[in-house]
Amino acid sequence: DAKTTQPNSMESNEEEPVHLPCNHSTISGTDYIHWYRQLPSQGPEYVIHGLTSNVNNRMASLAIAEDRKSSTLILHRATLRDAAVYYCILGEYGNKLVFGAGTILRVKS
Amino acid sequence: DTGVSQNPRHKITKRGQNVTFRCDPISEHNRLYWYRQTLGQGPEFLTYFQNEAQLEKSRLLSDRFSAERPKGSFSTLEIQRTEQGDSAMYLCASSLGWAGATDTQYFGPGTRLTVL
Repeated sequence: DAKTTQPNSMESNEEEPVHLPCNHSTISGTDYIHWYRQLPSQGPEYVIHGLTSNVNNRMASLAIAEDRKSSTLILHRATLRDAAVYYCILGEYGNKLVFGAGTILRVKS
Repeated sequence: DTGVSQNPRHKITKRGQNVTFRCDPISEHNRLYWYRQTLGQGPEFLTYFQNEAQLEKSRLLSDRFSAERPKGSFSTLEIQRTEQGDSAMYLCASSLGWAGATDTQYFGPGTRLTVL
């Protein structure tokens, strides 16, 4: 399974943008880049996914490097409810998710 | 509520006892996944079903673990002769499972198992 590298933790101020990086230098041509997040005491929650092009949805944006070896999840205006563990995951669509340790995002008011 | 549901939410058992967890996926979702999560770690894949067929098992799933999905609806995960190392959160997820379609996994709230 392809691996990803994420910072252990990041901190942001409320109402400011947050850029969560992910490195995936061994990504294959068919691997999608998925982002999930896990709020305290809850199961993981889908955030966004992409293959080659940048993606936007109501929750976040996903910026994918041209060589696909890295990507960045962008939360445009962090709120206290965005405090969670964010997981960057590679995989062929529809298959099991292989989670790493993720990035703990702390949001300060 | 049409999300994934899991029961019980918490289970405390003594070492050596058998436990069974239930997962009810989102209606019409063909795929159902089980994951295990220990404190401070990301979830680890255990097994998954496409309808009633169990398609893959992780090596984490020893012979004490068994999962079923009769009739392709709800699923059960049973752990026999529990050990303290089985203490974890057991998560269930479901997805549509259609090739080429959006196949986002939707997770339930999990069952927290504590083995004393």
